[in-house]
Amino acid sequence: DVKVTQSSRYLVKRTGEKVFLECVQDMDHENMFWYRQDPGLGLRLIYFSYDVKMKEKGDIPEGYSVSREKKERFSLILESASTNQTSMYLCATMGQIPDTQYFGPGTRLTVL
Amino acid sequence: DAKTTQPTSMDCAEGRAANLPCNHSTISGNEYVYWYRQIHSQGPQYIIHGLKNNETNEMASLIITEDRKSSTLILPHATLRDTAVYYCIVRVPNYGGSQGNLIFGKGTKLSVKP
Repeated sequence: DVKVTQSSRYLVKRTGEKVFLECVQDMDHENMFWYRQDPGLGLRLIYFSYDVKMKEKGDIPEGYSVSREKKERFSLILESASTNQTSMYLCATMGQIPDTQYFGPGTRLTVL
Repeated sequence: DAKTTQPTSMDCAEGRAANLPCNHSTISGNEYVYWYRQIHSQGPQYIIHGLKNNETNEMASLIITEDRKSSTLILPHATLRDTAVYYCIVRVPNYGGSQGNLIFGKGTKLSVKP
């Protein structure tokens, strides 16, 4: 079974703090994704990576950056957290079968 | 992505089969049908996908009509842990990249009751 883990299930941060969310997968998948999920807005893609050190912007990259130094690890960085970044953050990977994405448990981030 | 229509909610008795329908009347020839579910406060979970033949795996079966305008996800023996929102997605398979964004509609909230 594919295992995708995220560093925290719940996180509370203050406005202006730098926030790191980490995602680790154990299936040697090339593609990794960061989404946020908000009520009524569904899943929205923030960034994705198709290989080590390769990244591309998704639909809502503003206020975020990512890092992929190793194949199994994809980090999402909020440079200066704001209250509108309060959300559920979901990491996913995709292997050889297209569009079969495997999600982590999610991190519920609250920015005060 | 082709538009899909699913019932807002359904109930199912524990141990019985849960049949979740999805209409996708505008599906095109190269679009697949994917099913995901999301249990409350967890990440989405891939269930199954297919093009035109019926598919079965350890989680569920997928029945696609011959004209491909609708499909049914079948959970053969529903348990309380199958209570979740089930999403039907129709799209051309994507190998990642800028089109890798999965777009979930409203889905069907399945409640499995004892």
